[in-house]
Amino acid sequence: EVQLVESGGGLVQPGGSLRLSCAASGFIFSTYWMHWVRQGPGKGLVWVSRINGDGSIQAYADSVKGRFTIARDNAKNTLYLQMDSLRAEDTAVYYCVREYDSSCALWGQGTLVTVSS
Amino acid sequence: QSALTQPASVSGSPGQSITISCTGTSSDVGGYSHVSWYQQHPGKVPKLLIYEGNQRPSGVSYRFSGSKSGNTASLTISGLQAEDEADYYCCSYAGSHTFVFGTGTKVTVL
Repeated sequence: EVQLVESGGGLVQPGGSLRLSCAASGFIFSTYWMHWVRQGPGKGLVWVSRINGDGSIQAYADSVKGRFTIARDNAKNTLYLQMDSLRAEDTAVYYCVREYDSSCALWGQGTLVTVSS
Repeated sequence: QSALTQPASVSGSPGQSITISCTGTSSDVGGYSHVSWYQQHPGKVPKLLIYEGNQRPSGVSYRFSGSKSGNTASLTISGLQAEDEADYYCCSYAGSHTFVFGTGTKVTVL
């Protein structure tokens, strides 16, 4: 079965760090661009970051640039998002997404990150 | 990277057609063909409805269609049904490997 399963969310204090993981299965992971998209409580979807198949190209939203790092391990079929210097406004459900033809075609169930003291 | 502008809400009666607009700039919607649309029911994961402006993935109803004119993309839902009540988001490629989502539109079936 083709699926994406996120993990690593939780409660963290402002200024803290967290690493999200996304385990991919059922498809050839290394051939796909991947994204992270987030959604704050009661809010809309926000694009966060994107990485190409071999990990050599990364892109970020201005709101997370310099604080978040996207990476992947194709041997483990896993996507990561390292989040540093977290702020209250980073509180959201974070979705791992597989791209197809420049669209967010396959979504994971999401993992909740709460930044609060 | 400003969010694309969508109307906060759109409503229609069953059987009617409604259109949701998505306005950006020449740096995103107007500059590329890579516009996609998503449906999200409360508490659920977003679902891809339209990609590359007007292409429907397998399994998506023909009642959903996409178009674009200049810096504005549109999603039309024809033959509105109760199950279409949800939030809808557009998304566009914005250059330099980045993307941007719209502000979201709540569709109400009267």
